[in-house]
Amino acid sequence: QKEVEQNSGPLSVPEGAIASLNCTYSDRGSQSFFWYRQYSGKSPELIMSIYSNGDKEDGRFTAQLNKASQYVSLLIRDSQPSDSATYLCATLQGAQKLVFGQGTRLTINP
Amino acid sequence: NAGVTQTPKFRILKIGQSMTLQCAQDMNHNYMYWYRQDPGMGLKLIYYSVGAGITDKGEVPNGYNVSRSTTEDFPLRLELAAPSQTSVYFCASSIDSQPQHFGDGTRLSIL
Repeated sequence: QKEVEQNSGPLSVPEGAIASLNCTYSDRGSQSFFWYRQYSGKSPELIMSIYSNGDKEDGRFTAQLNKASQYVSLLIRDSQPSDSATYLCATLQGAQKLVFGQGTRLTINP
Repeated sequence: NAGVTQTPKFRILKIGQSMTLQCAQDMNHNYMYWYRQDPGMGLKLIYYSVGAGITDKGEVPNGYNVSRSTTEDFPLRLELAAPSQTSVYFCASSIDSQPQHFGDGTRLSIL
């Protein structure tokens, strides 16, 4: 079992709709979770971090964490073509190591 | 504010050659990291450092070496380049275990 698993996609969503990205992790001891956005040919950019169960909202982005189910999700409301990118889920292992999923490629269709 | 700076941006090596990928940060971050990203995949940790003089292996350290003589610099060395090392290499830094800031990457091809 991979430590962090994501559906690689591609996930296609019409413009204006809600995009839902999911991630599961295997280490029950994980406490910190991150969503990075990566445009093609560019470096990852942090868009959300979440540390406790529940929802965390930032603009059009909402991160959701359920530690009992070992599940993290990212919702993007009012999806825009500029949201088309690969979204990487990551969890902090121990105090230093960030473990990434393989990423979900999201395409927003105008 | 430059953030994390990686050089070179692109490089083509022949099998068996060696090279050093440079990484520098000007944010006074104590933690620094090297990742590789193969096409369509996530990032895999090669080496990391929690401060000057301290380095540790990540998930895929074989074929690479690092050093951390200053807080600012964290070079990654390939001694005997192999085709399997063709990848995009990212350097990142952070304060302790806070979210990491990434450089723009180095695209390396081994032919």
